Amino acid sequence: ELKVEQNPLFLSMQEGKNYTIYCNYSTTSDRLYWYRQDPGKSLESLFVLLSNGAVKQEGRLMASLDTKARLSTLHITAAVHDLSATYFCAVVPYGQNFVFGPGTRLSVLP
Amino acid sequence: DGGITQSPKYLFRKEGQNVTLSCEQNLNHDAMYWYRQDPGQGLRLIYYSQIVNDFQKGDIAEGYSVSREKKESFPLTVTSAQKNPTAFYLCASSMIAGANTGELFFGEGSRLTVL
Repeated sequence: ELKVEQNPLFLSMQEGKNYTIYCNYSTTSDRLYWYRQDPGKSLESLFVLLSNGAVKQEGRLMASLDTKARLSTLHITAAVHDLSATYFCAVVPYGQNFVFGPGTRLSVLP
Repeated sequence: DGGITQSPKYLFRKEGQNVTLSCEQNLNHDAMYWYRQDPGQGLRLIYYSQIVNDFQKGDIAEGYSVSREKKESFPLTVTSAQKNPTAFYLCASSMIAGANTGELFFGEGSRLTVL
């Protein structure tokens, strides 16, 4: 059975600190997506990673993909309160639909 | 502006009633999807459609029905057979053919509450 796991599921951090969220998946996929969801809102696309070794950065967030290890990371640099949200990763195995991880709920405290 | 429009944003239903959630997109996307999200949970796929007049069940299709009569529209009906319909429903779309990222674009969601 295909599994997408995220670690940690809950993260509380202070402003200004760095942290990494991990996304592991159990089957072959050469594409990985990161989404952000604010409470009560829909999902917003953050990053699209389409190949092994892909790295994308936007502001204080940087995402990377290692398809051989079946691992993606979402690194947060110098966190600010506005980054508080739930972050989902998703993979698309060949011939299948999107499979989402359970989400990581991030809370950045002042 | 191009995007996905869901309506209504909030809906209350009495037990035993069917309700239909609307999803319209003007992105010219081939595929459309319905997801369900329960509080504090991830997304679960209800139905999807890759072409007009064709759709497939997702992981939790029981108690739901859909139609795809137009490329732009993919309404979801929550029937009385769905025993626990209170949830946040998200419609999404994506391109399939051609050089594209395959990214899913989401509507703003519809929150259904059963009274």
